[in-house]
Amino acid sequence: NAGVMQNPRHLVRRRGQEARLRCSPMKGHSHVYWYRQLPEEGLKFMVYLQKENIIDESGMPKERFSAEFPKEGPSILRIQQVVRGDSAAYFCASSAGQDAELFFGEGSRLTVL
Amino acid sequence: GENVGLHLPTLSVQEGDNSIINCAYSNSASDYFIWYKQESGKGPQFIIDIRSNMDKRQGQRVTVLLNKTVKHLSLQIAATQPGDSAVYFCAENNHQAGTALIFGKGTTLSVSS
Repeated sequence: NAGVMQNPRHLVRRRGQEARLRCSPMKGHSHVYWYRQLPEEGLKFMVYLQKENIIDESGMPKERFSAEFPKEGPSILRIQQVVRGDSAAYFCASSAGQDAELFFGEGSRLTVL
Repeated sequence: GENVGLHLPTLSVQEGDNSIINCAYSNSASDYFIWYKQESGKGPQFIIDIRSNMDKRQGQRVTVLLNKTVKHLSLQIAATQPGDSAVYFCAENNHQAGTALIFGKGTTLSVSS
């Protein structure tokens, strides 16, 4: 049973470009969470999604960031017009239910030049 | 605001010693707490959890203690091994309210042989 799969593992973008990060949850999991981790920091909650629904986006920046979890395919975290401050590791986690254990992926490391 | 994870940022121990990593939380509504281990370049890995109706829970070589009176959480690792070297995060949430996990900043554990 494959774990949470994130890709790309590393992504380099220039300021103003778009970054798309993908997350395939564990088989049977319909709950997906995105977290951002700056160097030497803890993980900051961004958004919680279930299939086709955003449940909690209280941690998402108001502009440039969006997330989706379509009926088919992976969850996507999209960052438009990236800036240097967006450089971070972005982690996805999935669970089988709201009260179930979270399993994390290995993260996608975004570097903005 | 609410913070999780007042901590000593680094803990250095000798192999075979017992380690204690501490965490303070401020949200008295939190009812579920988890300790995660994060090795360099990897995603967080679940270690042990505890619900607010308990004050102690034991796993294999690890024990979590919860003191709700002073809002304090600790992770004890017995007979620490070099493979335990990592960053350890405490996380909390309010299961009843369906909130996402909130992470503290983490403590780096270094184990020397």
